[in-house]
Amino acid sequence: GAVVSQHPSWVICKSGTSVKIECRSLDFQATTMFWYRQFPKQSLMLMATSNEGSKATYEQGVEKDKFLINHASLTLSTLTVTSAHPEDSSFYICSASPQGLVTEAFFGQGTRLTVV
Amino acid sequence: QKEVEQDPGPLSVPEGAIVSLNCTYSNSAFQYFMWYRQYSRKGPELLMYTYSSGNKEDGRFTAQVDKSSKYISLFIRDSQPSDSATYLCAMSYLSGNTPLVFGKGTRLSVIA
Repeated sequence: GAVVSQHPSWVICKSGTSVKIECRSLDFQATTMFWYRQFPKQSLMLMATSNEGSKATYEQGVEKDKFLINHASLTLSTLTVTSAHPEDSSFYICSASPQGLVTEAFFGQGTRLTVV
Repeated sequence: QKEVEQDPGPLSVPEGAIVSLNCTYSNSAFQYFMWYRQYSRKGPELLMYTYSSGNKEDGRFTAQVDKSSKYISLFIRDSQPSDSATYLCAMSYLSGNTPLVFGKGTRLSVIA
C-alpha cells in the first residue's frame, strides 16, 4: 500500500531552537497533506492543511508564524516548529491520500518532539 | 460537546473475547466513518471504513454505523494479544481529500 514517511521519528531540542519535521509520500504524489498534533491520551487534532505550491491553511488557534509549513514539491511537506517551548512537546503526525479520497488517508510514523 | 466522543478506556479482555469499541458523534453531516489502529509511538493505520449507515465486515473485524443514533462501533472477534493497541474512530463530511475528525482513541489490551 501507499507509504507516507515521516522524519525524524523523535527529536529532543532546547527551548528557543527550531525543529524541522519532514513528511514524504514515497510512492505517490500528494498535492495536499495534513498535519496533526496529538497530546498524550488525546485525539489527533488538525493543525494545518499543506498545499503544494501555495500557502498552508491553519486551524483556529494554531500560530502560523510558529508552525511554518512548506510544501515545495508533490512528495514533500515540512513542518518547522520555530522558537520551540516545552508546551510544544507533542506527537506530530502527517497524512496524505494517494487518490485524494478521505477513505484512503495514510499516516506517517509520527514525530515525538520533546522541548527541554 | 466535542464532535466525536470515544471512551479512552483502558479496556482489558482475555484472548479470544469479542471486543466492542464505540464512538458517538454530534454532527449529522458526517458521512464517512473510519477506524484506525495505533500502536504506541506510531502513526495510525487504517483498519476499515464505512460510508453512511450499515455494516461492513473484514476478517475478524466488523464496523457498524447507525446514523440515526449517531453511533458507530467496531467489533473484533477472537481477539488476539497482537490486537492490543489504541483504536481511533475518525469521521469526515466529504469523500475528497479532507482532514479527519478523530475520537480520543480507546486503549485495548488483550491478555493471553
